[in-house]
Amino acid sequence: GAVVSQHPSWVICKSGTSVKIECRSLDFQATTMFWYRQFPKQSLMLMATSNEGSKATYEQGVEKDKFLINHASLTLSTLTVTSAHPEDSSFYICSASPRLAGSPYEQYFGPGTRLTVT
Amino acid sequence: RKEVEQDPGPFNVPEGATVAFNCTYSNSASQSFFWYRQDCRKEPKLLMSVYSSGNEDGRFTAQLNRASQYISLLIRDSKLSDSATYLCVVIFTGTASKLTFGTGTRLQVTL
Repeated sequence: GAVVSQHPSWVICKSGTSVKIECRSLDFQATTMFWYRQFPKQSLMLMATSNEGSKATYEQGVEKDKFLINHASLTLSTLTVTSAHPEDSSFYICSASPRLAGSPYEQYFGPGTRLTVT
Repeated sequence: RKEVEQDPGPFNVPEGATVAFNCTYSNSASQSFFWYRQDCRKEPKLLMSVYSSGNEDGRFTAQLNRASQYISLLIRDSKLSDSATYLCVVIFTGTASKLTFGTGTRLQVTL
């Protein structure tokens, strides 16, 4: 149980275009979803936290107008990278929790999406 | 100073060796501690939680020293399949269960 999928697993796009990444919890209802970014040889950095039906809470330094997060259902969250630039190339990973943010830890990670912007 | 610091390695050890990693964290108001394993180009996977009394899971032993603000992971009888990056993760008090990751320590087990 507790499987999280992401789609696509990798994507190459041209500079200036937008890319949407989907994160789905397959066998549980994800009350909270998290989006992380990992640059090569660096740690995972939390970008934003979203509770179903609410606006996402973004971490300091993450542009909310550039990284649009939608968590409209209990099994799906999307991250849209708008007007992507080469510096946005990274490994984007989502995680999902059946609990509200602030409740005891329980997160399940998706397999990640590798974005390359040319 | 980073909130969670690890020696990036790599640690190159022969099969069967015992290897230990340390991780230090900057904020004493820390709630929970974990070790994750991440294979190349894959998502992190929970290896084990770290408890104040120390805990063991097969060949893996985790220890927490709150006074010195460090966590350790000991791997005995290393296997080739243990080759991966080991991430130290801390949940700091008052951060709504936010996972703060270290940069990871790379382990390469060789024949």
